[in-house]
Amino acid sequence: GNSVTQMEGPVTLSEEAFLTINCTYTATGYPSLFWYVQYPGEGLQLLLKATKADDKGSNKGFEATYRKETTSFHLEKGSVQVSDSAVYFCALRMDSSYKLIFGSGTRLLVRP
Amino acid sequence: DTAVSQTPKYLVTQMGNDKSIKCEQNLGHDTMYWYKQDSKKFLKIMFSYNNKELIINETVPNRFSPKSPDKAHLNLHINSLELGDSAVYFCASSQGTGANEKLFFGSGTQLSVL
Repeated sequence: GNSVTQMEGPVTLSEEAFLTINCTYTATGYPSLFWYVQYPGEGLQLLLKATKADDKGSNKGFEATYRKETTSFHLEKGSVQVSDSAVYFCALRMDSSYKLIFGSGTRLLVRP
Repeated sequence: DTAVSQTPKYLVTQMGNDKSIKCEQNLGHDTMYWYKQDSKKFLKIMFSYNNKELIINETVPNRFSPKSPDKAHLNLHINSLELGDSAVYFCASSQGTGANEKLFFGSGTQLSVL
């Protein structure tokens, strides 16, 4: 079946450090890929998405590129801030499907 | 205005009780969902309704019963609560399928079964 695998957290970084959170997927076909972010005490919010191979999604300084050859969608940010501390979820969705399949989430903690 | 609102935010109850969680969205979306997030933050879909019709029903115990009185509401009723039901339950909505439809989540209901 379709699934998403994320690196285990927590990831602890100092402010202004470079961030990478790995995400790989397994899917029959070509899914759309998403990153959602969950800040403490809140629901998830869409951070960015990519709908086809080689697309790059970007938002708030975060980027992720849809790599079909490695079935990956790694999240990156050049310089993290304390306010980026949250749990990040990679997800996939097949066309014509209502179901969004999430990875297990990766907690990011950014220290001042 | 809150787009997706759930009540209550916290729910503490004894094993064996029956409880309900309510969800409302004011976005005019056709599709609503219930997700369960366990203590390890793993998020799994439970149910989805589209225009009041059940379209996704994952492997969830029969003790869980969703009800959608109209397309703006999707409530979750849980009978005979068990310890393992303790989790955060998230309601969400979207307009439909496909890559361009993002989910809007409520802020969650933390259920603790004692």
